[in-house]
Amino acid sequence: DQQVKQNSPSLSVQEGRISILNCDYTNSMFDYFLWYKKYPAEGPTFLISISSIKDKNEDGRFTVFLNKSAKHLSLHIVPSQPGDSAVYFCAATGSGNTGKLIFGQGTTLQVKP
Amino acid sequence: DAGITQSPRHKVTETGTPVTLRCHQTENHRYMYWYRQDPGHGLRLIHYSYGVKDTDKGEVSDGYSVSRSKTEDFLLTLESATSSQTSVYFCAIREGASGNTEAFFGQGTRLTVV
Repeated sequence: DQQVKQNSPSLSVQEGRISILNCDYTNSMFDYFLWYKKYPAEGPTFLISISSIKDKNEDGRFTVFLNKSAKHLSLHIVPSQPGDSAVYFCAATGSGNTGKLIFGQGTTLQVKP
Repeated sequence: DAGITQSPRHKVTETGTPVTLRCHQTENHRYMYWYRQDPGHGLRLIHYSYGVKDTDKGEVSDGYSVSRSKTEDFLLTLESATSSQTSVYFCAIREGASGNTEAFFGQGTRLTVV
């Protein structure tokens, strides 16, 4: 049973437009959410995060929105650039000292020039 | 770049043989993780460690064991490799467990079980 779900395996957008990647979770104990980006043949790298006490966090072209009641978060990239083409993973972790970090299936973003 | 090294980077092994993958860090981070990446499944947590000799199971732990006898090394063992364990394995490290503590990943180990 996947606790973190990314239901769109792929997304294609035009350069300069907005990319919206979605993520749903089922465990209400999760209180922090992170997005990672992965290029082929490399390990994932951290992109942006959000605490459950917030509904928005922004970092440059990247904004993450959290709807806690719907157990849904989204990553917005504006404007999208060809270098943003990668696999994006949503991850979640809960309070406490266990440190367990659970990832979703990933969404492959292609930004066309 | 975070000091995290996975070895080997590539391995081909036969069904039924034991295999050990190594993750080595130079950051003195407390938390270490093993994930596998498969198409359609994303990154799935196998086992993780929250300190020396402290480990716990993840989402897909069957057929895997781990050991952490010192802070810098986290070993993943496939007790008897099967074709379903063909995958790319990633190790990750985190300094702490608070939510805003990011994880740093290694380059991955591509394992093929024939």
